[in-house]
Amino acid sequence: NAGVTQTPKFRILKIGQSMTLQCTQDMNHNYMYWYRQDPGMGLKLIYYSVGAGITDKGEVPNGYNVSRSTTEDFPLRLELAAPSQTSVYFCASREQVNNQPQHFGDGTRLSIL
Amino acid sequence: GNSVTQMEGPVTLSEEAFLTINCTYTATGYPSLFWYVQYPGEGLQLLLKATKADDKGSNKGFEATYRKETTSFHLEKGSVQVSDSAVYFCALSDWGFTGGGNKLTFGTGTQLKVEL
Repeated sequence: NAGVTQTPKFRILKIGQSMTLQCTQDMNHNYMYWYRQDPGMGLKLIYYSVGAGITDKGEVPNGYNVSRSTTEDFPLRLELAAPSQTSVYFCASREQVNNQPQHFGDGTRLSIL
Repeated sequence: GNSVTQMEGPVTLSEEAFLTINCTYTATGYPSLFWYVQYPGEGLQLLLKATKADDKGSNKGFEATYRKETTSFHLEKGSVQVSDSAVYFCALSDWGFTGGGNKLTFGTGTQLKVEL
């Protein structure tokens, strides 16, 4: 019962470094999402994808990039890390059928110093 | 645009007390409503959902009724346990939204602490 798997769980970056947050799901879900969670702010959508090869911006896409080459994987890339990107990042997926819930990974806690 | 407003926390209760966490929403279409729960160090898990007006979602003793007239989806539980301590998020998904992806709009979360 893997569900949505995110790696790494924790990471510390220096300003200006780059990294990729990995997300994979084994439920054959077409829809996938990246959120960031800041204290007291709920979750904000960064990017989403409705299928392999199709991605679109969410509310807060600046400073991030995504790709979706397979149904299973939806990596999130930070090119030039900034302190404002310190957050907890969650990946989620869901079936294409209406009214189905999103399934979340356990998150990646990222600190940029 | 869509928005969700939740009561601020933390909410601190004694075990076996009655719980209400208020949630109201604004949506342009015909939303489905969800409650998610987040335990420390974990991702969000679906607690319950309701897809149309007057539907009642329920799970693990928690209930919430979709009230279109008051645009509310308040979470209730008759007798909380220490193990219910977590952060609770109200969310909506507007199936009438044509932006694609049926995105969720979240409230800011309400932390619940249950003490013995």
